[in-house]
Amino acid sequence: LAKTTQPISMDSYEGQEVNITCSHNNIATNDYITWYQQFPSQGPRFIIQGYKTKVTNEVASLFIPADRKSSTLSLPRVSLSDTAVYYCLVGALFSGGYNKLIFGAGTRLAVHP
Amino acid sequence: DAMVIQNPRYQVTQFGKPVTLSCSQTLNHNVMYWYQQKSSQAPKLLFHYYDKDFNNEADTPDNFQSRRPNTSFCFLDIRSPGLGDAAMYLCATSNSLATYEQYFGPGTRLTVT
Repeated sequence: LAKTTQPISMDSYEGQEVNITCSHNNIATNDYITWYQQFPSQGPRFIIQGYKTKVTNEVASLFIPADRKSSTLSLPRVSLSDTAVYYCLVGALFSGGYNKLIFGAGTRLAVHP
Repeated sequence: DAMVIQNPRYQVTQFGKPVTLSCSQTLNHNVMYWYQQKSSQAPKLLFHYYDKDFNNEADTPDNFQSRRPNTSFCFLDIRSPGLGDAAMYLCATSNSLATYEQYFGPGTRLTVT
């Protein structure tokens, strides 16, 4: 799995857009980028996954530049309930293979009133 | 409509006294995982079951065992808990090994006295 680097922590305020960037300089051709969210005292939750360009769902957007050496998770108009740890994971998706989640340190996002 | 259920949510055990944590799922997923998450750290995979096939991570201590009597249930047995085993234990499921989308339960917080 490609090594990832994320900021340890970020602070934001309610109503702002938050962008969390993950660096993965040695990403491989078959690698996908996956983000998880973990609220305090809960299990992680899958948020979004992408390979290139932009992916959007009801929770977040994921922006991946052409070189794929980084990715940005964008949370629109955060609320206090978005306070969580956000994990970026990079790994190949092989049909029929075993894709193991290896969590890094994650980014601890604190949203303030 | 809980999908991955862990009982109990909090468990206290004594040093050296065997303890069992349980996980059940309503998703009918083939794969079930157990993770250990220590305070302020990322989740770490202990092992997984693909149907009845058990796969241990290389660095999982022998003190940790698991049982999966049927598709819905999976148990984590800690044979002789030490103080260092105090952690949140997370159960997760997926419908395939070839996916990074796992569904996590709320976790069981284990305290060792």
